[in-house]
Amino acid sequence: EVQLLESGGGLVRPGGSLRLSCAASGFTFGSHALTWVRQAPGRGLEWVSTIGGDGYGTYYADSVRGRFTVSRDNSKHTLYLQMNSLRAEDTAVYYCAREAMDILDYFDYWGQGTLVTVSS
Amino acid sequence: EIVLTQSPGTLSLSPGERATLSCRASEGIPNFYLAWYQQKPGQGPRLLIYGASSRATGIPDRFGGSGSGTDFTLTISRVEPEDFALYYCHHYGGSPTFGQGTKVEIK
Repeated sequence: EVQLLESGGGLVRPGGSLRLSCAASGFTFGSHALTWVRQAPGRGLEWVSTIGGDGYGTYYADSVRGRFTVSRDNSKHTLYLQMNSLRAEDTAVYYCAREAMDILDYFDYWGQGTLVTVSS
Repeated sequence: EIVLTQSPGTLSLSPGERATLSCRASEGIPNFYLAWYQQKPGQGPRLLIYGASSRATGIPDRFGGSGSGTDFTLTISRVEPEDFALYYCHHYGGSPTFGQGTKVEIK
């Protein structure tokens, strides 16, 4: 069974940093691109970042480029999102999702999410 | 970036009725790269449809997707109590974008 479990969310002050993790199991980790999607309170879904299965292709939304860094450790079956220079508008539930086959594909499995709150 | 507009914002139905959800793209979506997801409160989204019309594994056949180009539709032939939720369309294959969602609520 495919499982994705996010962690690392919490309350952080504007300008601060946070690192999210997503632990994966139930599939061949390195064979799939992985993505972060966020959802602000009461709002819709927003794509944040994607990383290829081998970790070399990375993609970012304009809203986070230069502030967020996506990475993965295939030996630990874990996806990461390093978030720096956080802003109030980054407040959201952050989901990790598995891409079905190719990079920038549809998302066939999602985690339950971790809440990030940016507030003073 | 392709902008997706979903309508209606809210759909009020009784169990057993047919649900028709629309997703319109600001420009043509190539290769039918359009997916639909269901989201319930406190949960991550669940894939329903990919490639505009292919049902994901384990999805009941009352869910159907159709459309091409700029106009896509998710249909629930007979709404079951567990189908009351939020639904999102998603363009993939390029810079990913989502529609703003349609809420299917109990009438």
